[in-house]
Amino acid sequence: DTGVSQNPRHKITKRGQNVTFRCDPISEHNRLYWYRQTLGQGPEFLTYFQNEAQLEKSRLLSDRFSAERPKGSFSTLEIQRTEQGDSAMYLCASSLEGAGYTFGSGTRLTVV
Amino acid sequence: RKEVEQDPGPFNVPEGATVAFNCTYSNSASQSFFWYRQDCRKEPKLLMSVYSSGNEDGRFTAQLNRASQYISLLIRDSKLSDSATYLCVVTPTGGFKTIFGAGTRLFVKA
Repeated sequence: DTGVSQNPRHKITKRGQNVTFRCDPISEHNRLYWYRQTLGQGPEFLTYFQNEAQLEKSRLLSDRFSAERPKGSFSTLEIQRTEQGDSAMYLCASSLEGAGYTFGSGTRLTVV
Repeated sequence: RKEVEQDPGPFNVPEGATVAFNCTYSNSASQSFFWYRQDCRKEPKLLMSVYSSGNEDGRFTAQLNRASQYISLLIRDSKLSDSATYLCVVTPTGGFKTIFGAGTRLFVKA
């Protein structure tokens, strides 16, 4: 399968805990994006990597959020001290320059 | 004002109908435009790119009007399987922060 892979598919965590999500993009895609989507809304941009460099980060992200893409391959998104408002679908996408995105199936986070 | 605005719908149409969605964007420097389709509880999937000259893919036609800053999607001969949310997507020139509209829900009924 050469699509974008995200793990885990679902995550339930208690408020205050840390969580980490992983994204494996399509191998030849140098661009990787993280988005967050809540019910009834379109995906909201969180951050963008070109190869291993994080080139843009949304003001939506508080200091509790951090993302990495070591070696320009897979990426991780960590949320520290989770809050109920963090409950959402976290989507990863990859692309080549100028092309549309290919999304992964997402990680659905529920903070209880 | 939102950067990308869509009529949320829902649009309820019978099979075989023609339905059109519009989307407006606020950044005149926007460069790339797309329509995505999202099924319930699934990830968005690229439906088609949108070009100034207009483009067609089977029953789907997309158009871009840069002067008025809007994008349209026309679906002809609607099928039950077209039921989904359609997301309008805009990327600014030189930027990476692609903006998604909130989506327009379509229900096609037999």
